[in-house]
Amino acid sequence: DIQMTQSPSSLSASVGDRVTITCRASQGIRDDLSWYQQKPGTAPKRLIYAASNLQSGVPSRFSGSGSGTDFTLTISSLQPEDFATYYCLQHNNYPLTFGQGTKVETK
Amino acid sequence: QLQLQESGPGLVKPSETLSLTCTVSGASLRSPSHYWDWIRQPPGKEFEWIGSIYYRGNTYYNPSLKSRVTLSVDTSKNQFSLKLTSVTATDTAMYYCSRRAYSYGFDYWGQGILVTVSS
Repeated sequence: DIQMTQSPSSLSASVGDRVTITCRASQGIRDDLSWYQQKPGTAPKRLIYAASNLQSGVPSRFSGSGSGTDFTLTISSLQPEDFATYYCLQHNNYPLTFGQGTKVETK
Repeated sequence: QLQLQESGPGLVKPSETLSLTCTVSGASLRSPSHYWDWIRQPPGKEFEWIGSIYYRGNTYYNPSLKSRVTLSVDTSKNQFSLKLTSVTATDTAMYYCSRRAYSYGFDYWGQGILVTVSS
Protein backbone atom coordinates (compact mmCIF):
# COMPACT_ATOMS: atom_id res chain seq x y z
CA ASP A 1 0.00 0.00 0.00
CA ILE A 2 1.11 3.58 -0.61
CA GLN A 3 1.39 5.44 2.69
CA MET A 4 0.43 9.12 2.72
CA THR A 5 2.13 11.08 5.48
CA GLN A 6 0.38 14.38 6.04
CA SER A 7 1.74 17.19 8.19
CA PRO A 8 1.14 18.90 10.45
CA SER A 9 -1.69 16.99 12.13
CA SER A 10 -3.02 20.30 13.41
CA LEU A 11 -2.17 23.97 13.27
CA SER A 12 -3.38 27.19 14.80
CA ALA A 13 -3.73 30.20 12.54
CA SER A 14 -5.41 33.56 12.28
CA VAL A 15 -7.59 35.06 9.60
CA GLY A 16 -5.32 36.40 6.88
CA ASP A 17 -2.49 33.94 7.56
CA ARG A 18 -0.86 31.89 4.84
CA VAL A 19 -1.29 28.19 5.61
CA THR A 20 0.68 25.32 4.11
CA ILE A 21 -0.12 21.61 4.48
CA THR A 22 2.06 18.86 3.06
CA CYS A 23 1.57 15.26 2.02
CA ARG A 24 4.37 12.86 1.26
CA ALA A 25 3.77 9.59 -0.56
CA SER A 26 5.80 6.50 0.24
CA GLN A 27 6.39 6.03 -3.49
CA GLY A 28 5.91 8.11 -6.59
CA ILE A 29 2.31 8.77 -7.55
CA ARG A 30 2.82 11.20 -10.46
CA ASP A 31 0.12 13.85 -9.93
CA ASP A 32 -2.60 11.40 -8.88
CA LEU A 33 -3.46 13.32 -5.73
CA SER A 34 -6.44 15.35 -4.60
CA TRP A 35 -7.17 17.54 -1.57
CA TYR A 36 -10.39 17.68 0.45
CA GLN A 37 -11.89 19.93 3.09
CA GLN A 38 -14.19 18.50 5.74
CA LYS A 39 -16.24 20.43 8.26
CA PRO A 40 -17.83 18.71 11.27
CA GLY A 41 -20.87 16.65 10.43
CA THR A 42 -20.48 17.02 6.68
CA ALA A 43 -19.02 15.03 3.81
CA PRO A 44 -15.63 16.03 2.42
CA LYS A 45 -15.48 18.53 -0.41
CA ARG A 46 -12.85 18.31 -3.14
CA LEU A 47 -10.66 21.39 -3.43
CA ILE A 48 -7.87 20.30 -5.75
CA TYR A 49 -7.52 17.45 -8.24
CA ALA A 50 -4.56 16.18 -10.22
CA ALA A 51 -2.31 17.82 -7.60
CA SER A 52 -2.71 21.39 -8.81
CA ASN A 53 -6.08 21.87 -10.50
CA LEU A 54 -8.61 23.99 -8.65
CA GLN A 55 -12.07 22.50 -8.36
CA SER A 56 -14.74 24.66 -9.99
CA GLY A 57 -16.32 26.99 -7.44
CA VAL A 58 -13.44 26.78 -4.96
CA PRO A 59 -11.89 30.16 -4.07
CA SER A 60 -8.59 30.98 -5.72
CA ARG A 61 -6.87 31.39 -2.34
CA PHE A 62 -6.57 27.58 -2.38
CA SER A 63 -3.76 26.13 -4.47
CA GLY A 64 -1.98 22.83 -4.81
CA SER A 65 1.45 21.87 -6.06
CA GLY A 66 3.77 18.92 -6.31
CA SER A 67 4.37 15.75 -8.23
CA GLY A 68 5.92 12.39 -7.52
CA THR A 69 6.12 12.07 -3.74
CA ASP A 70 5.79 15.57 -2.28
CA PHE A 71 2.65 17.68 -2.40
CA THR A 72 1.47 20.91 -0.86
CA LEU A 73 -1.88 22.56 -0.25
CA THR A 74 -1.66 26.30 0.35
CA ILE A 75 -4.30 28.71 1.58
CA SER A 76 -2.93 32.13 0.70
CA SER A 77 -5.07 34.15 3.11
CA LEU A 78 -7.07 32.15 5.62
CA GLN A 79 -10.74 33.09 5.87
CA PRO A 80 -13.16 32.31 8.73
CA GLU A 81 -14.91 29.65 6.66
CA ASP A 82 -11.60 27.82 6.10
CA PHE A 83 -11.31 26.49 9.65
CA ALA A 84 -11.78 22.78 8.96
CA THR A 85 -9.88 19.52 8.52
CA TYR A 86 -7.98 18.90 5.29
CA TYR A 87 -7.07 15.54 3.76
CA CYS A 88 -4.99 14.40 0.84
CA LEU A 89 -5.86 11.29 -1.17
CA GLN A 90 -3.71 9.29 -3.56
CA HIS A 91 -5.50 7.53 -6.41
CA ASN A 92 -2.48 6.32 -8.33
CA ASN A 93 -2.65 2.77 -7.05
CA TYR A 94 -5.07 0.49 -5.26
CA PRO A 95 -5.87 0.58 -2.42
CA LEU A 96 -6.59 4.29 -2.51
CA THR A 97 -5.17 5.87 0.64
CA PHE A 98 -5.76 9.10 2.54
CA GLY A 99 -3.49 11.25 4.63
CA GLN A 100 -4.21 11.40 8.35
CA GLY A 101 -5.70 14.89 8.11
CA THR A 102 -4.72 18.40 9.21
CA LYS A 103 -7.04 20.28 11.52
CA VAL A 104 -6.83 24.04 11.02
CA GLU A 105 -7.91 25.80 14.19
CA THR A 106 -8.21 29.41 15.18
CA LYS A 107 -5.28 30.85 17.09
CA GLN B 1 -27.19 18.36 -10.06
CA LEU B 2 -25.70 14.99 -9.20
CA GLN B 3 -26.67 13.63 -5.81
CA LEU B 4 -25.77 10.44 -3.96
CA GLN B 5 -27.78 9.14 -1.03
CA GLU B 6 -26.79 6.29 1.27
CA SER B 7 -29.48 4.16 2.85
CA GLY B 8 -29.58 1.17 5.14
CA PRO B 9 -29.72 0.19 8.81
CA GLY B 10 -27.95 2.43 11.28
CA LEU B 11 -27.48 -0.40 13.76
CA VAL B 12 -26.07 -3.84 13.02
CA LYS B 13 -25.38 -6.65 15.49
CA PRO B 14 -21.89 -8.14 15.80
CA SER B 15 -21.22 -11.05 13.43
CA GLU B 16 -24.06 -9.97 11.11
CA THR B 17 -23.88 -8.40 7.66
CA LEU B 18 -23.88 -4.67 7.05
CA SER B 19 -25.80 -3.78 3.88
CA LEU B 20 -25.92 -0.28 2.40
CA THR B 21 -27.24 1.11 -0.86
CA CYS B 22 -26.27 4.30 -2.66
CA THR B 23 -28.88 5.85 -4.93
CA VAL B 24 -27.54 8.16 -7.61
CA SER B 25 -29.64 10.93 -9.13
CA GLY B 26 -28.68 13.48 -11.74
CA ALA B 27 -26.20 11.19 -13.52
CA SER B 28 -26.08 7.68 -14.88
CA LEU B 29 -24.12 4.89 -13.29
CA ARG B 30 -23.34 3.82 -16.86
CA SER B 31 -20.83 6.63 -17.27
CA PRO B 32 -17.70 5.15 -18.86
CA SER B 33 -15.56 7.79 -17.15
CA HIS B 34 -16.42 7.10 -13.55
CA TYR B 35 -16.12 4.59 -10.77
CA TRP B 36 -18.45 4.35 -7.80
CA ASP B 37 -16.81 3.98 -4.45
CA TRP B 38 -17.42 3.37 -0.76
CA ILE B 39 -15.32 5.05 1.91
CA ARG B 40 -15.69 4.95 5.66
CA GLN B 41 -14.54 7.04 8.59
CA PRO B 42 -14.65 5.66 12.14
CA PRO B 43 -15.54 8.32 14.71
CA GLY B 44 -12.58 10.64 15.19
CA LYS B 45 -10.36 8.59 12.90
CA GLU B 46 -8.95 8.61 9.38
CA PHE B 47 -10.73 7.74 6.18
CA GLU B 48 -10.50 4.20 4.85
CA TRP B 49 -11.27 3.40 1.24
CA ILE B 50 -13.42 0.26 1.03
CA GLY B 51 -13.72 -0.39 -2.67
CA SER B 52 -14.83 0.65 -6.17
CA ILE B 53 -17.21 -0.69 -8.75
CA TYR B 54 -17.53 0.11 -12.44
CA TYR B 55 -20.92 -0.01 -14.15
CA ARG B 56 -19.90 -3.19 -15.98
CA GLY B 57 -19.37 -4.85 -12.62
CA ASN B 58 -15.58 -4.65 -12.35
CA THR B 59 -14.64 -4.35 -8.69
CA TYR B 60 -11.58 -3.29 -6.69
CA TYR B 61 -11.38 -3.90 -2.97
CA ASN B 62 -9.15 -2.80 -0.14
CA PRO B 63 -7.09 -5.90 0.76
CA SER B 64 -7.72 -5.16 4.44
CA LEU B 65 -11.45 -5.82 3.90
CA LYS B 66 -11.48 -7.92 0.76
CA SER B 67 -12.48 -11.19 2.44
CA ARG B 68 -15.63 -9.57 3.88
CA VAL B 69 -16.71 -7.04 1.22
CA THR B 70 -18.91 -7.36 -1.82
CA LEU B 71 -19.90 -4.46 -4.07
CA SER B 72 -22.67 -4.71 -6.62
CA VAL B 73 -24.40 -2.41 -9.07
CA ASP B 74 -27.97 -2.19 -10.36
CA THR B 75 -27.95 0.09 -13.38
CA SER B 76 -31.72 -0.24 -13.85
CA LYS B 77 -32.23 1.45 -10.49
CA ASN B 78 -29.12 3.63 -10.72
CA GLN B 79 -27.91 2.19 -7.44
CA PHE B 80 -24.82 0.48 -6.14
CA SER B 81 -24.48 -1.45 -2.93
CA LEU B 82 -22.07 -2.56 -0.22
CA LYS B 83 -22.18 -5.73 1.85
CA LEU B 84 -19.75 -6.25 4.70
CA THR B 85 -19.97 -9.57 6.51
CA SER B 86 -19.03 -10.65 10.04
CA VAL B 87 -18.99 -7.12 11.42
CA THR B 88 -17.44 -6.17 14.74
CA ALA B 89 -17.34 -2.96 16.76
CA THR B 90 -14.35 -1.84 14.70
CA ASP B 91 -16.67 -1.54 11.69
CA THR B 92 -18.59 1.24 13.42
CA ALA B 93 -18.13 4.26 11.16
CA MET B 94 -19.67 6.87 8.94
CA TYR B 95 -20.03 5.24 5.55
CA TYR B 96 -19.93 7.40 2.42
CA CYS B 97 -20.62 6.59 -1.19
CA SER B 98 -18.89 8.65 -3.82
CA ARG B 99 -18.22 9.11 -7.50
CA ARG B 100 -14.64 8.98 -8.73
CA ALA B 101 -13.28 10.10 -12.06
CA TYR B 102 -10.22 8.06 -12.91
CA SER B 103 -7.10 9.90 -11.66
CA TYR B 104 -9.11 12.85 -10.39
CA GLY B 105 -10.41 11.65 -7.05
CA PHE B 106 -13.87 11.92 -5.57
CA ASP B 107 -15.91 14.76 -7.02
CA TYR B 108 -19.28 13.95 -5.45
CA TRP B 109 -20.04 12.43 -2.07
CA GLY B 110 -23.19 11.29 -0.34
CA GLN B 111 -24.01 12.87 3.01
CA GLY B 112 -22.89 9.71 4.77
CA ILE B 113 -24.67 7.23 7.03
CA LEU B 114 -23.54 6.34 10.52
CA VAL B 115 -23.52 2.60 11.10
CA THR B 116 -23.03 1.37 14.64
CA VAL B 117 -22.15 -2.24 15.37
CA SER B 118 -23.58 -3.18 18.74
CA SER B 119 -25.72 -5.85 20.33
